[in-house]
Amino acid sequence: EAGVAQSPRYKIIEKRQSVAFWCNPISGHATLYWYQQILGQGPKLLIQFQNNGVVDDSQLPKDRFSAERLKGVDSTLKIQPAKLEDSAVYLCASSFSLQGVTLNEQYFGPGTRLTVT
Amino acid sequence: LAKTTQPISMDSYEGQEVNITCSHNNIATNDYITWYQQFPSQGPRFIIQGYKTKVTNEVASLFIPADRKSSTLSLPRVSLSDTAVYYCLVGEGFQKLVFGTGTRLLVSP
Repeated sequence: EAGVAQSPRYKIIEKRQSVAFWCNPISGHATLYWYQQILGQGPKLLIQFQNNGVVDDSQLPKDRFSAERLKGVDSTLKIQPAKLEDSAVYLCASSFSLQGVTLNEQYFGPGTRLTVT
Repeated sequence: LAKTTQPISMDSYEGQEVNITCSHNNIATNDYITWYQQFPSQGPRFIIQGYKTKVTNEVASLFIPADRKSSTLSLPRVSLSDTAVYYCLVGEGFQKLVFGTGTRLLVSP
């Protein structure tokens, strides 16, 4: 089974520039997540999709971050304009469904390391 | 969402058993306890999940006492490749995962 794919793996940009990250979840996974992981911290959820609808974007800085999952499969996360504090690893994860009793198991991609200079 | 507390770091040697304890005093009745492992430059990976008593899989064991206010992840006979950050999370169903800073385990020869 193919895992969660992300690209690019690394990106260096200057502040005030824009950047986009792409994620392709595991086939059949309805739920997709974007996380931000700052060095030395655990991942922080930015946005959660169920199919192509947003379930939770309460921690997404909407003045500069946007995300979409138009066809309910792959997704893009954009930052415009970037700030120095956006330097982090951006992780995409997917899970089979929101349904169920147990805390759903999420499968993470390798992440995109963003450096803003 | 229940808050979790775990040691910032632990050191061990190859071949030893490692036990990482997580405190979750405010765990709710329907909450499950889940552990993730993260290697450098990789995303977290699900290790094990449990509700009460003991759960064991090919990677680890999870011990949960009757009051469920804490849990212990047990890694038998660790190797150098077990050096990673281990996260304890608590929640149910569709609740979002809230990661703390985790426990950095360093396994030495």
